[in-house]
Amino acid sequence: GENVEQHPSTLSVQEGDSAVIKCTYSDSASNYFPWYKQELGKGPQLIIDIRSNVGEKKDQRIAVTLNKTAKHFSLHITETQPEDSAVYFCAASLGGNYQLIWGAGTKLIIKP
Amino acid sequence: DGGITQSPKYLFRKEGQNVTLSCEQNLNHDAMYWYRQDPGQGLRLIYYSQIVNDFQKGDIAEGYSVSREKKESFPLTVTSAQKNPTAFYLCASRVIGTSKDTGELFFGEGSRLTVL
Repeated sequence: GENVEQHPSTLSVQEGDSAVIKCTYSDSASNYFPWYKQELGKGPQLIIDIRSNVGEKKDQRIAVTLNKTAKHFSLHITETQPEDSAVYFCAASLGGNYQLIWGAGTKLIIKP
Repeated sequence: DGGITQSPKYLFRKEGQNVTLSCEQNLNHDAMYWYRQDPGQGLRLIYYSQIVNDFQKGDIAEGYSVSREKKESFPLTVTSAQKNPTAFYLCASRVIGTSKDTGELFFGEGSRLTVL
């Protein structure tokens, strides 16, 4: 079955710098790759997603890139701000039912 | 405001007791999900339901039970058969089967269960 690995488990960056989180997946048939942000004590919230027919997607300071050949996708956050501090999860699914396999999460710390 | 409400937020129980976690949504979503979250691990699917009176096991259903008697409600019972029940439990819902089905999951704020 599908397996998703996420790195790093913790990432500390200076405010204003960029942050990159990477995920790899095992099933080449996976076609939907969302990223969720979980703030302390809250449930995860979708921040961006990408489908297999697209290589990159941007939304203001966040972007996701997908390399289908290498089976990995990455979340890029530019000009980081204190409110970006959270745990970020990647996930992958195949088929139309959107059953997600989740990465283990990355705790992003923004240093002032 | 539309959303998903989970209760209680914190719950303490003695070993051997069954506990029921509540999940209610007013988003008119057909599909509802229960996930378990442990430190350093991704979310793991316990049960899901796509229609009233029907539900399917996820990857870690053993020791859990659910019901879906109403579209809005999907309670989860953690039974005494669950060997390691202390965890953070998340309920989610989403639209399915229409043009609005983007795959996005909407989560509640979670319930933290501690078994003493």
